[in-house]
Amino acid sequence: SQKIEQNSEALNIQEGKTATLTCNYTNYSPAYLQWYRQDPGRGPVFLLLIRENEKEKRKERLKVTFDTTLKQSLFHITASQPADSATYLCALDSSFQKLVFGTGTRLLVSP
Amino acid sequence: GAVVSQHPSRVICKSGTSVKIECRSLDFQATTMFWYRQFPKQSLMLMATSNEGSKATYEQGVEKDKFLINHASLTLSTLTVTSAHPEDSSFYICSASVDYTFGSGTRLTVV
Repeated sequence: SQKIEQNSEALNIQEGKTATLTCNYTNYSPAYLQWYRQDPGRGPVFLLLIRENEKEKRKERLKVTFDTTLKQSLFHITASQPADSATYLCALDSSFQKLVFGTGTRLLVSP
Repeated sequence: GAVVSQHPSRVICKSGTSVKIECRSLDFQATTMFWYRQFPKQSLMLMATSNEGSKATYEQGVEKDKFLINHASLTLSTLTVTSAHPEDSSFYICSASVDYTFGSGTRLTVV
C-alpha cells in the first residue's frame, strides 16, 4: 500500500542547532515533493518544492534533499530559532495537482 | 503571492444543521480548488477537487451528498456540510491550484 511517513512525531532541539526532518514514502513515484509549515489552528504554508531530477534545493536557512532511490526527502533548518517551532509536513503529488500529505513532525526549538 | 481567504475560521453548529464554508481566491482566478479535512494530530486528507463550472470530484469514501461543493465562479468555492453530526467535527482547509496556496482553515464543531 502507499505510505508517506515522517518518522519523528516530535523533535526538540536547541536554538542555533540544525533541525533535520525526514520524509519517507513507499509505492509512489512522485514528480515532485513539497514541504509545508503548519502552525496550530492554521492552514499549511508552502515552503519548498523539489523535483525528481533535483538532488537538493535551498531557500535561506532551509535545505531540502530528494533521493528517489531511497524514496526519502530530508528537510533541514539551519541556525534554528524558537520562531521555527511548528509542525512541518511533507507532501507529494499522487496525480495531477493532487497532494498526499505525511503526518507531520512537530518541531520545538528551545531558547 | 497568491492569497486564499477562508471563512469562517471557527463555527459551532447544532447536530442536524448545515454549515457553509467559503474559500475565495484574492487577486487571482482559481479554476481548481481542493478541499481537505484534518483530524487532531493527523495529516490533511483530500476530500474533493472543485472545478469551476463543473461538478466536483470526490475522493473515495467521501459522501458527496453530505459534503456539497459549489464552484460557481473563478474566485469562490464553497463547501457545505449538510446535516452535520459530531463526527463531522474537524478542521477543513481549502487550497487553490495556484502557488500551492492554502486557506487558513475552518474549525467546525458540531454539538
